Amino acid sequence: QSVLTQSPSVSGAPGQRVTISCTGSSSNIGAGYGVHWYQQIPGTAPKLLIYGDSNRPSGVPDRFSGSKSGTSASLAITGLQAEDEADYYCQSYDSSLSVVFGGGTKLTVL
Amino acid sequence: EVQLVESGGGLVQSGGSLRLSCAASGFTFSSYGMHWVRQAPGKGLEYVSAINSNGGSTYYAKSVKGRFTISRDNSKNTLYLQMGSLRVADMAVYYCAREGAAGQLDTWFDPWGQGSLVTVSS
Repeated sequence: QSVLTQSPSVSGAPGQRVTISCTGSSSNIGAGYGVHWYQQIPGTAPKLLIYGDSNRPSGVPDRFSGSKSGTSASLAITGLQAEDEADYYCQSYDSSLSVVFGGGTKLTVL
Repeated sequence: EVQLVESGGGLVQSGGSLRLSCAASGFTFSSYGMHWVRQAPGKGLEYVSAINSNGGSTYYAKSVKGRFTISRDNSKNTLYLQMGSLRVADMAVYYCAREGAAGQLDTWFDPWGQGSLVTVSS
């Protein structure tokens, strides 16, 4: 059981908007620690998508955006494309543990 | 180009040892903390170990503490993970990753290496 909770799967049609949630607690996200998001295409290494709640590294399309409120964070993907089909992981820091990851969400593009 | 390349993975019997290496290039290795994250087959990401920029401070997840040792050689731009008393539960792809924000607890990881598969047989 992961410290950060993510829905196992989400799906959407090309062009649609989907959101992936990441729920934590007062010892991690709720304590103000940053939330980061990674995209992992099967068989490849994770790739940083969003850091510090809502910042995009250079090269990441602005179709990807992140937000945080209270003990939860969200990743939104607009204008869904077939190439977005992947696993998505959130990550933060927990004051009782250390670096923590969500269990991952599999995005299927219909 | 910032790059991390892992090596050293392979098949080992339960109770055995293995050393992973992660060769860094394209950035000043000695300025960054480095981390190991693993992913068991079909599972999510698990944080394993960390070392600060000068090697003076390390962290281990409870699952590997006392069995794994992280180290680095800044003269060779290389990170290591010495794994001992390996268990079937340690079987995973091991990724090395660079910290995104120096010295920050809630740092992110970027980039990641390509991963090194460790298979443990019983």
